[in-house]
Amino acid sequence: EAQVTQNPRYLITVTGKKLTVTCSQNMNHEYMSWYRQDPGLGLRQIYYSMNVEVTDKGDVPEGYKVSRKEKRNFPLILESPSPNQTSLYFCASSLSLGRGGYEQYFGPGTRLTVT
Amino acid sequence: AQSVTQLDSHVSVSEGTPVLLRCNYSSSYSPSLFWYVQHPNKGLQLLLKYTSAATLVKGINGFEAEFKKSETSFHLTKPSAHMSDAAEYFCVVSDRDSGTYKYIFGTGTRLKVLA
Repeated sequence: EAQVTQNPRYLITVTGKKLTVTCSQNMNHEYMSWYRQDPGLGLRQIYYSMNVEVTDKGDVPEGYKVSRKEKRNFPLILESPSPNQTSLYFCASSLSLGRGGYEQYFGPGTRLTVT
Repeated sequence: AQSVTQLDSHVSVSEGTPVLLRCNYSSSYSPSLFWYVQHPNKGLQLLLKYTSAATLVKGINGFEAEFKKSETSFHLTKPSAHMSDAAEYFCVVSDRDSGTYKYIFGTGTRLKVLA
């Protein structure tokens, strides 16, 4: 089954404790992206990757890191989480972004709470 | 720069009556437009997409949307609402910005269906 998986689905952590949210897709997609969803703000892009070893900042990258060492995986790293990073996070992938017409496939989401 | 405005944050309809969710966009080039649906505690699912082919686009579950370039609109409609349509709906534009394509999300419209 074609899918995007994220782990963990729920995470409660404390300020400053490094964490990683994993994202994996099995569709051989080139493009992957991370979003955060906050009430009334829709989804905002954190980072995206056009292909292996190619990543770039989205609209809200502060406090986050990513890496793309393999085509299928795109982990999101919070080196020192803070309470304002409490949010619902989505990973997404797409065949390509080169022509702009490809839809994204979304993971189930990770609900992160930072206390 | 591109942007998306969903004109209503909440819409309530009675079961069996038509649904209209409004979306206006701003784009410098030829955009691709998408509608996604998010049911409670779920990820995002593609409803339909427009990529410069037919201006009236049919999607899943009886939804359709019409691309109107002169009005810069991409409103989502359904002739008869069902209880299972209760969800949050996101309009998305994908367009070229500074040499790369980006996905821009609207802030969402929460649809309530009354029995």
